[in-house]
Amino acid sequence: DAKTTQPTSMDCAEGRAANLPCNHSTISGNEYVYWYRQIHSQGPQYIIHGLKNNETNEMASLIITEDRKSSTLILPHATLRDTAVYYCIVRAQGGKLIFGQGTELSVKP
Amino acid sequence: EAQVTQNPRYLITVTGKKLTVTCSQNMNHEYMSWYRQDPGLGLRQIYYSMNVEVTDKGDVPEGYKVSRKEKRNFPLILESPSPNQTSLYFCASSLWRGGARETQYFGPGTRLLVL
Repeated sequence: DAKTTQPTSMDCAEGRAANLPCNHSTISGNEYVYWYRQIHSQGPQYIIHGLKNNETNEMASLIITEDRKSSTLILPHATLRDTAVYYCIVRAQGGKLIFGQGTELSVKP
Repeated sequence: EAQVTQNPRYLITVTGKKLTVTCSQNMNHEYMSWYRQDPGLGLRQIYYSMNVEVTDKGDVPEGYKVSRKEKRNFPLILESPSPNQTSLYFCASSLWRGGARETQYFGPGTRLLVL
């Protein structure tokens, strides 16, 4: 199963874009990149996912490099409620989500 | 409202006393899974099920049992709980027809303390 590497923590000013990087250099061709976030100890919340094309939804954008070895989650206008731990996950065909340690994002006023 | 529910949300028990944590989803999802979350170890998969009567072990199945008699329910059973099973537990579900591209949705969590 492919592993992911993320910075332990990041800060972002309220209203600015938050760019969260993730390395997944061992990802294989049929594995998807998923992003979830967890606020306090609530259930992880789905944000976005992609295979090889860039994706955008109402919450965020996902930029995947052409070689698929890394990706960036972009929250275009971060708010205080976006403060959370963000997990970059590679999901294998077997369905398991392999959570790493995630990035603790602090959005500051 | 589409959701995954878990009960109880909080539970304190003693070593050896059998308990069941229920999980139910109302989205007609084929795939269901249990995870535990521990400080420093992240979320790890305990068991999963791809459909009714089909279950399989995840990464940390020791000390747990599951069953999938109905599509909507996926209970987690601790036959003889021990203190090392003190943890935060999450149930999750997703469709499975599209495999890994189907989004997995999580329940609110069950915090278990085994004394």
